[in-house]
Amino acid sequence: LAKTTQPISMDSYEGQEVNITCSHNNIATNDYITWYQQFPSQGPRFIIQGYKTKVTNEVASLFIPADRKSSTLSLPRVSLSDTAVYYCLVGMDSSYKLIFGSGTRLLVRP
Amino acid sequence: GAVVSQHPSWVICKSGTSVKIECRSLDFQATTMFWYRQFPKQSLMLMATSNEGSKATYEQGVEKDKFLINHASLTLSTLTVTSAHPEDSSFYICSASGAALLTNYGYTFGSGTRLTVV
Repeated sequence: LAKTTQPISMDSYEGQEVNITCSHNNIATNDYITWYQQFPSQGPRFIIQGYKTKVTNEVASLFIPADRKSSTLSLPRVSLSDTAVYYCLVGMDSSYKLIFGSGTRLLVRP
Repeated sequence: GAVVSQHPSWVICKSGTSVKIECRSLDFQATTMFWYRQFPKQSLMLMATSNEGSKATYEQGVEKDKFLINHASLTLSTLTVTSAHPEDSSFYICSASGAALLTNYGYTFGSGTRLTVV
């Protein structure tokens, strides 16, 4: 199970683009990279998943370099409602368990 | 899409009593469900893996006699906190995956249950 490292917290302002980078140096060949978002007192919500290069959906983009040892979640033009904790997860163990790291606490200011 | 319903969303109980939390998959069959606990400002900690029709697998340090898990059907898992104490106060979250979801690494989480033991 690949260990992930992300910034503990980030601050931004409404309308800005936010990029959260996750390091996962020991990612395995079969591992996918998945990002979840969690609002206070709610369960995590799936945002985006990718394996390599770039993935984009209606919420975010995920950039993965060729060596796959890191990934960047990009949130375009954030709003106050994007204030949340963002978790980067890489792979899972043989029992299909999702193990969460510390996540990045994003605060969007007016 | 896959929906997981967790109930209740919050509960207050007296010390020494037991509390049951339900987790239901509404539109898919969940062969596996996971239970997490989350303390304020901390990440989710996996407590146990619940497999339909078999005993739950607990993570190291989690008391199986205190946190009883039952997964009697493909759509329902329950977590019972027995003889609850104030230190059990936390946010409990379930997650479910069906066989198809596992291959897509797509896990769906419940909305969580805030347990307060007084």
